[in-house]
Amino acid sequence: QKEVEQNSGPLSVPEGAIASLNCTYSDRVSQSFFWYRQYSGKSPELIMSIYSNGDKEDGRFTAQLNKASQYVSLLIRDSQPSDSATYLCAVKGGTGTASKLTFGTGTRLQVTL
Amino acid sequence: GAVVSQHPSRVICKSGTSVKIECRSLDFQATTMFWYRQFPKQSLMLMATSNEGSKATYEQGVEKDKFLINHASLTLSTLTVTSAHPEDSSFYICSARDDLGVFDTQYFGPGTRLTVL
Repeated sequence: QKEVEQNSGPLSVPEGAIASLNCTYSDRVSQSFFWYRQYSGKSPELIMSIYSNGDKEDGRFTAQLNKASQYVSLLIRDSQPSDSATYLCAVKGGTGTASKLTFGTGTRLQVTL
Repeated sequence: GAVVSQHPSRVICKSGTSVKIECRSLDFQATTMFWYRQFPKQSLMLMATSNEGSKATYEQGVEKDKFLINHASLTLSTLTVTSAHPEDSSFYICSARDDLGVFDTQYFGPGTRLTVL
């Protein structure tokens, strides 16, 4: 079982719709969760971080965390063509200087006109 | 926001040469930096964790004598690909963890595309 799992997609949504991206993780003691956006040929860009169960909203983005189900999701409201990218879920394991991020393989999102 | 730079952004070299890539945190201190490699259409793969003033910690399967890492200051880590071969051609990305940031957020540099002929 992979440590962080994502559906590779592509996930295709029409412009203006809500895109829902999902991620599950295997390490129960993970405490920090991140969503990164990566455009083709570019490095990842941090979009959201979440640490507590529930929802966290930032503009058009909402991250949802359910530690009991080991599940984290990202909702993108009013999707725009510029949102088309690969979205990487990352989970932080370990403590102190030994902590590091484990990435999922990413979900490719396509927002169509 | 936190900014991480990488230099060079792109490098083409001949097989057998060594290539050095620099990673700098511009507006924050980073005791810990990370080096990733990404092949086309694949996910990020962590190569090593770089700690200021101590030896890097390499992931399983990464040759420490081939990928030399130096983290001599709180804002600079370097990765040297020694005796590069075509199979080392990849997108190398560093990230830096803000020492004073909340929950150890990592920020990525723009990446270095290495092509070995």
